[in-house]
Amino acid sequence: DAKTTQPNSMESNEEEPVHLPCNHSTISGTDYIHWYRQLPSQGPEYVIHGLTSNVNNRMASLAIAEDRKSSTLILHRATLRDAAVYYCILRRPSSNTGKLIFGQGTTLQVKP
Amino acid sequence: EAQVTQNPRYLITVTGKKLTVTCSQNMNHEYMSWYRQDPGLGLRQIYYSMNVEVTDKGDVPEGYKVSRKEKRNFPLILESPSPNQTSLYFCASSIGQGWYEQYFGPGTRLTVT
Repeated sequence: DAKTTQPNSMESNEEEPVHLPCNHSTISGTDYIHWYRQLPSQGPEYVIHGLTSNVNNRMASLAIAEDRKSSTLILHRATLRDAAVYYCILRRPSSNTGKLIFGQGTTLQVKP
Repeated sequence: EAQVTQNPRYLITVTGKKLTVTCSQNMNHEYMSWYRQDPGLGLRQIYYSMNVEVTDKGDVPEGYKVSRKEKRNFPLILESPSPNQTSLYFCASSIGQGWYEQYFGPGTRLTVT
């Protein structure tokens, strides 16, 4: 599986937008970009996924670079509940295992 | 409420005493999976299942068994637990082919002494 690179940590103020970057320069054409997050003492939580086009859902937006070598998860208005470790993961749907490989992720701190 | 439940949430046991961690989902998902999470090692997949009676090994299956007799349940069995199986365990489910969205349970923290 191709590797992703994320900053170790980021800070944000409550009610402000947050842009979480992810670099994946070795992404292949069939790799989907997935984002999960893990709040303290909880299981990972699905956030969003995409292939080429930008994606929006009720939790976040995913902006994918035209060359697909990077992507950005956008939280439009951070809340204290968004403080978590965010993981950017590449996965090929052809892989039957469903295995998610979580890297170090980005620890997001949200300040009131 | 759509969810994945695990029981127990916390368990302390002794080496060699068989145990089962249950996992149940109410979303009618076909695909289910077990992971363990250890500091510095991230999540590692233990077993996965793509349908009733269809299971396969993940990356770290040694010392574990699973069964999938019903669509909603996917128990993880440790026949003879050892201290190196002390970990945080997560069950996950997904609607089907592609595993696009995986929904995780709250986790089971297991300590084997």
